Amino acid sequence: NAGVTQTPKFQVLKTGQSMTLQCAQDMNHEYMSWYRQDPGMGLRLIHYSVGAGITDQGEVPNGYNVSRSTTEDFPLRLLSAAPSQTSVYFCASSYSGVGNTIYFGEGSWLTVV
Amino acid sequence: AQKVTQAQTEISVVEKEDVTLDCVYETRDTTYYLFWYKQPPSGELGFLIRRNSFDEQNEISGRYSWNFQKSTSSFNFTITASQVVDSAVYFCALSEAVGKETSGSRLTFGEGTQLTVNP
Repeated sequence: NAGVTQTPKFQVLKTGQSMTLQCAQDMNHEYMSWYRQDPGMGLRLIHYSVGAGITDQGEVPNGYNVSRSTTEDFPLRLLSAAPSQTSVYFCASSYSGVGNTIYFGEGSWLTVV
Repeated sequence: AQKVTQAQTEISVVEKEDVTLDCVYETRDTTYYLFWYKQPPSGELGFLIRRNSFDEQNEISGRYSWNFQKSTSSFNFTITASQVVDSAVYFCALSEAVGKETSGSRLTFGEGTQLTVNP
């Protein structure tokens, strides 16, 4: 009964370091995405993928990189961490098509010092 | 551009009170979908309900009910006889298509309403 699984749950980075947030889903969903949650701003879309080999930018893509080599996995890479990237990150997935329910992982708390 | 407004930043009630969380949205799409998610103190985002723009029937699920009014672009959420376990941040969200051939949905979230239910 895994659903969407994210790792790590908590991470502290130093400015300039790089890291990858992992995301995997076992529901055979074509569509996957990453959001970040900041106080008073709700959740904002970073990147999304409509299938293996296809990715695109969302609302706030700068400083992040993604790839989708398999249907199951959608990692998010921080290339050179900045304090402005301190946030809670959520991976999400759904079946393709408009209006399908989007299911979220448990979140990853990232602090950049 | 789509927009979701949750004007109530924080609400505090006493257990067993009824409480309504407001959600107003803006969209130019004729077909759209609305969602409510619950985020308890543990942080995960849990799906509550999905509603499409053609279905204006109210929905009831146990102590939860939703009132969708297209005429006022609102999708309000009521908890009847609130309980301490209802304490959470509640998000209203509106979906729009992304990708070629509308192959995915992007959610536009409101800022959330922090509900605190006191014993």
